[in-house]
Amino acid sequence: NAGVTQTPKFRILKIGQSMTLQCTQDMNHNYMYWYRQDPGMGLKLIYYSVGAGITDKGEVPNGYNVSRSTTEDFPLRLELAAPSQTSVYFCASSYSGELNYGYTFGSGTRLTVV
Amino acid sequence: QKEVEQNSGPLSVPEGAIASLNCTYSDRGSQSFFWYRQYSGKSPELIMFIYSNGDKEDGRFTAQLNKASQYVSLLIRDSQPSDSATYLCAVRGSSASKIIFGSGTRLSIRP
Repeated sequence: NAGVTQTPKFRILKIGQSMTLQCTQDMNHNYMYWYRQDPGMGLKLIYYSVGAGITDKGEVPNGYNVSRSTTEDFPLRLELAAPSQTSVYFCASSYSGELNYGYTFGSGTRLTVV
Repeated sequence: QKEVEQNSGPLSVPEGAIASLNCTYSDRGSQSFFWYRQYSGKSPELIMFIYSNGDKEDGRFTAQLNKASQYVSLLIRDSQPSDSATYLCAVRGSSASKIIFGSGTRLSIRP
């Protein structure tokens, strides 16, 4: 089992460019999440999904979009990148129906917008 | 008021001592509680979860939950240099589909 796989690991974007951060999981988890973590800070929820075809906003959704066409994949789209989006992005997944399950995290994508 | 609050630290503890990390939460309907460890430059790693009042022990780690006081803590016994990391408290609230994270406490174990 690969768990949660994120690509790319690192990326430098210019202001105004767009990109998609990829996330895929092979654990058949229904719930998937995107968080960002700024230096020395906790995790802020961007978007989440409770199943294929269902997405919802988190605390900081502005400037991002998501889609969930399959159970396995949950890509995060950045449109018109801004320096404020410089951060580390983590994708996570969890099993639904069991409250004691925490998240399994991917290894993260370190994004710099210049 | 933040939904999940932690002291940011750094908390410095001598090797072999007990490290005590604390967390408070605002949602009285919260259902389960998690402690994650995050080494610098790495992703968070789940080390403990608890959902009933009282203590839960796993090796050198003990999680404590007091729902009446909306308080959860993590004790690390016989602290080792490898325990130096940021510890994130996380709470699955009444909206069970997502977990809210605190900003983390940085723990440093000094030899």
